[in-house]
Amino acid sequence: QSVLTQPPSVSGAPGQRVTISCTGSSSNIGAGYDVHWYQQLPGTAPKLLIYGNSNRPSGVPDRFSGSKSGTSASLAITGLQAEDEADYYCQSYDSSLSGLYVFGTGTKVTVL
Amino acid sequence: QVQLVQSGAEVKKPGSSVKVSCKASGGTFSSYTISWVRQAPGQGLEWMGRIIPILGIANYAQKFQGRVTITADKSTSTAYMELSSLRSEDTAVYYCASRSPWFGELGLFDIWGQGTMVTVSS
Repeated sequence: QSVLTQPPSVSGAPGQRVTISCTGSSSNIGAGYDVHWYQQLPGTAPKLLIYGNSNRPSGVPDRFSGSKSGTSASLAITGLQAEDEADYYCQSYDSSLSGLYVFGTGTKVTVL
Repeated sequence: QVQLVQSGAEVKKPGSSVKVSCKASGGTFSSYTISWVRQAPGQGLEWMGRIIPILGIANYAQKFQGRVTITADKSTSTAYMELSSLRSEDTAVYYCASRSPWFGELGLFDIWGQGTMVTVSS
């Protein structure tokens, strides 16, 4: 089961800014492990969106940004566009016995 | 960079096993780690385990310990995930995933297979 908690859904009008939180614990985000974010469009495999808390891979628009503080991380989308409607997942390393890597519960972004 | 191509959809009976393959092309297979991630219908992503082909070492999520086996055949650049004692809750899309070398040791996945649908039904 997921040990990183995200809100089930967020929504915004085109052009607005939305943020997605990712809350972990002392065995993952709070232990200093990096957080990565993925975007998943319907029927497709996830795509790496943000790596190492705040870095964008080549080709990812700069309207996507990430941050991390304490046991939480956030993904922000500024200038929301229709094509940003998708599911978003955070992911980190976990030092507990549950497993090496953990994903967030996922957030559905709806563009109104 | 490496591309991952998975085997086709499977329909299995409860109690049986399934073995999904993930063939890598375009890179040096042994230098990559291959993880398996599954996604039940309408649900989130769940990491199941990984293998480091160059070492032949596999690690598994506690939830799947004893029921999943991940292997790799370096001669064919193919990784396998076998899940046994299948139940209806194992119905999901199973992805293999890996990390490009330029990300160093970061524990992320920027290379994904296309996914394999496994349906468990009597």
